[in-house]
Amino acid sequence: IQLTQSPSLLSASVGDRVTLRCKGSQNINNYLAWYQQKLGEAPKLLIYNTNSLQTGIPSRFSGSGSGTDYTLAISSLQPEDVATYFCYQYNNGYTFGAGTKLELK
Amino acid sequence: EVQLQESGPGLVKPSQSLSLTCSVTGYSITSNYWGWIRKFPGNKMEWMGYITYSGSTSYNPSLKSRISITRDTSKNQFFLQLNSITTEDTATYYCARSLTERGYFDYWGQGVMVTVSS
Repeated sequence: IQLTQSPSLLSASVGDRVTLRCKGSQNINNYLAWYQQKLGEAPKLLIYNTNSLQTGIPSRFSGSGSGTDYTLAISSLQPEDVATYFCYQYNNGYTFGAGTKLELK
Repeated sequence: EVQLQESGPGLVKPSQSLSLTCSVTGYSITSNYWGWIRKFPGNKMEWMGYITYSGSTSYNPSLKSRISITRDTSKNQFFLQLNSITTEDTATYYCARSLTERGYFDYWGQGVMVTVSS
């Protein structure tokens, strides 16, 4: 399964609601996770199984979707959210999206 | 807390083998699944394979002829060996834990950058 993330680069302001998208080439059956990675750091699990929030992750992060289309939303962007976000499917094999780089406007 | 730390050479010559170690603290590798993932320059990421709590393995078919993942339970470490290295294997290599076979990785190491160059 190939994953296509959009946009590849997103500029937004503090307080904005932002939405990142991940589209699979086949049905993912909700076996989708989202990670945040800051420069030089390990990837951090944000969301698993489409919409389950990992322990310790702020509630401004949420996930949704079904079938082939999934989204990660940040309800109110904070400066510390500047990072690259990538999706990961584990329904059929294991593949990663190419990432969305989120920056402050 | 579960912590993973990769170690290994930062520079490997083409045609040689790459050997990396993942040292795990705070959790036994005789439980769950322990994987290797790499991130290429340009940010593409690739799932390489994992070793299970019982020592069985699963590999990415694209790497199957070159990869081996083993472990030393007495040291709570697992290892990656990748043979016949080329410049296309230049990447940052991560080890990580998955709670289930068909699962996501919840804890990751910081990663180790490996450059393949003569």
